[in-house]
Amino acid sequence: ILNVEQSPQSLHVQEGDSTNFTCSFPSSNFYALHWYRWETAKSPEALFVMTLNGDEKKKGRISATLNTKEGYSYLYIKGSQPEDSATYLCAFAGTGNQFYFGTGTSLTVIP
Amino acid sequence: SAVISQKPSRDICQRGTSLTIQCQVDSQVTMMFWYRQQPGQSLTLIATANQGSEATYESGFVIDKFPISRPNLTFSTLTVSNMSPEDSSIYLCSVGVGRNTEAFFGQGTRLTVV
Repeated sequence: ILNVEQSPQSLHVQEGDSTNFTCSFPSSNFYALHWYRWETAKSPEALFVMTLNGDEKKKGRISATLNTKEGYSYLYIKGSQPEDSATYLCAFAGTGNQFYFGTGTSLTVIP
Repeated sequence: SAVISQKPSRDICQRGTSLTIQCQVDSQVTMMFWYRQQPGQSLTLIATANQGSEATYESGFVIDKFPISRPNLTFSTLTVSNMSPEDSSIYLCSVGVGRNTEAFFGQGTRLTVV
């Protein structure tokens, strides 16, 4: 079983604050790293799929970086809004078809 | 992209009973995946369901406890059998075409066993 860790486990920030989360994964047999956003009672939705070391991706106020050599990815949210409140999951893809998920970071943005 | 309709969204069940969860996809897909998230734990793959063949189960999951059907390329069911409180979890179905493309998920089934 591969170990994918996310930190922090939960986070409360004020509206307008910027924040970031970490996903740590094995640095060997890397194929891809996914980030998903999961709101309560909704389907997890993909934010980013990252495959190359040094990758940086951006979608609006959310961005992510990838370091495959040391096995970590950061997700950044700039100017958090209440609608950003959700659980953010990362998933490691190595050999085989299986994804290995972290336990998620639960973000609450306080108006 | 794919849109997945998963039912039921939640249920409260008595121990010893069984619950069948359904997932309907709006397009034909080769593989469907079933995940479980126990409280405080990560999403864990239960099994991979291919149309026309037996599902492939991950270590720690067995067909007698989690029988899966895949009658066609747009539909699958997962049954949680002889339930105990330890089966209280969120169950998710998912589809995807590869490791470097995004996966799509159902809305999840929140199961509580009492």
